[in-house]
Amino acid sequence: DIQMTQSPSSLSASVGDRVTITCRASQSISNYFNWFQQKPGKAPKLLIYGASNLQTAVPSRFSGSGSGTDFTLTISSLQPADFASYYCQQSFFTPYTFGQGTKLEIK
Amino acid sequence: EVQLVESGGGLVQPGRSLRLSCTTSGFTFGDYGVSWFRQAPGKGLEWVGFIRSKAYGVTTEYAASVKGRFTISRDDSKSIAYLQMNSLKTEDTAVYFCSRIEYGDYWGQGTLVTVSS
Repeated sequence: DIQMTQSPSSLSASVGDRVTITCRASQSISNYFNWFQQKPGKAPKLLIYGASNLQTAVPSRFSGSGSGTDFTLTISSLQPADFASYYCQQSFFTPYTFGQGTKLEIK
Repeated sequence: EVQLVESGGGLVQPGRSLRLSCTTSGFTFGDYGVSWFRQAPGKGLEWVGFIRSKAYGVTTEYAASVKGRFTISRDDSKSIAYLQMNSLKTEDTAVYFCSRIEYGDYWGQGTLVTVSS
């Protein structure tokens, strides 16, 4: 199975900060890579697909980059609604595996 | 508006069976594959399995942890996907989500399955 290593596991930041979360795959996955946001008690929400494509209706302060094994999610200016957990996922090979998650908290 | 709604969760004893349904609307169900994911209490996300559309042979794939026990099926006439779960184990306790396409561009709200004696 492809292992996804996400960092950091938790992050404290303030409204307006620029935040970066990284994810590394244990083997090359081209750009078959996605980012999700999840709030407590809710379903995950797709933010970025294909490593860098913004899902419909997702604010432009979210961006994704990377290819191969190393990927990044950037939030350019944190808003109150962005405090949540974030998960990376590879969709190159089944089983489609996730990173362990990053919990983004208010400083 | 794309919508997916899971149902059928509940409390079940180990070794018993349960069938979850994923009722969809707002898109042409037959054109899309459906994935199932789960999330154990306080844990991360796990992919359970996937069923392709008729155009791709309605083939299925499963996580090793559920292969041989879980079966995904679909009824395109009703726009519903199913997750049949047999020989349930305590470690299958989780919120189960269905989603559209293999990686999940749209998700349902989830249904809780608790396996306990």
